[in-house]
Amino acid sequence: DVKVTQSSRYLVKRTGEKVFLECVQDMDHENMFWYRQDPGLGLRLIYFSYDVKMKEKGDIPEGYSVSREKKERFSLILESASTNQTSMYLCASSSTGTGDYEQYFGPGTRLTVT
Amino acid sequence: GQNIDQPTEMTATEGAIVQINCTYQTSGFNGLFWYQQHAGEAPTFLSYNVLDGLEEKGRFSSFLSRSKGYSYLLLKELQMKDSASYLCAVLTDSWGKLQFGAGTQVVVTP
Repeated sequence: DVKVTQSSRYLVKRTGEKVFLECVQDMDHENMFWYRQDPGLGLRLIYFSYDVKMKEKGDIPEGYSVSREKKERFSLILESASTNQTSMYLCASSSTGTGDYEQYFGPGTRLTVT
Repeated sequence: GQNIDQPTEMTATEGAIVQINCTYQTSGFNGLFWYQQHAGEAPTFLSYNVLDGLEEKGRFSSFLSRSKGYSYLLLKELQMKDSASYLCAVLTDSWGKLQFGAGTQVVVTP
């Protein structure tokens, strides 16, 4: 079974703190994605990566950065957390080589910034 | 720009049929996914359509018309456990990037 894990289910941080969200997948997938999910807005893509060391901006990258030093791990960084970054964050991975583009999601991290 | 539209909420009775429509206008199209998401959980894969037509998988079917920019997900013999949000997503490139609609909340009543 494909497994995507995220470092925390719930996280509470203060405004201005640096926040790290970690995502690990065990299926040797090339592609990894970070989304945030807000009521009425659906899943919005923050950043994605098609290979190690590679990163591409999604639709809403402002205030975020990412790191992919190893194939299985994709980190989302909030350099200086703000209250408008309170959200559910979902990580996903997929494979390109097989032609199966299905994204497998982690359980999500509900982040609250106070 | 990218636009994927689906109804916000639908209510149906246990045992009934519900059809969730999705229309899209995107800069690229390589296929369309439907995901199911229960409250507080991660989205899980339901279906993937690349070619026009109907794909049936048990109680769930998905239809695609590329010329009309239209898809629907059909849920038959509704069960209480089908109460969830259903997400329509367009594969916009050949690498795996998905553009999601806002989701349709389906409420199944006894």
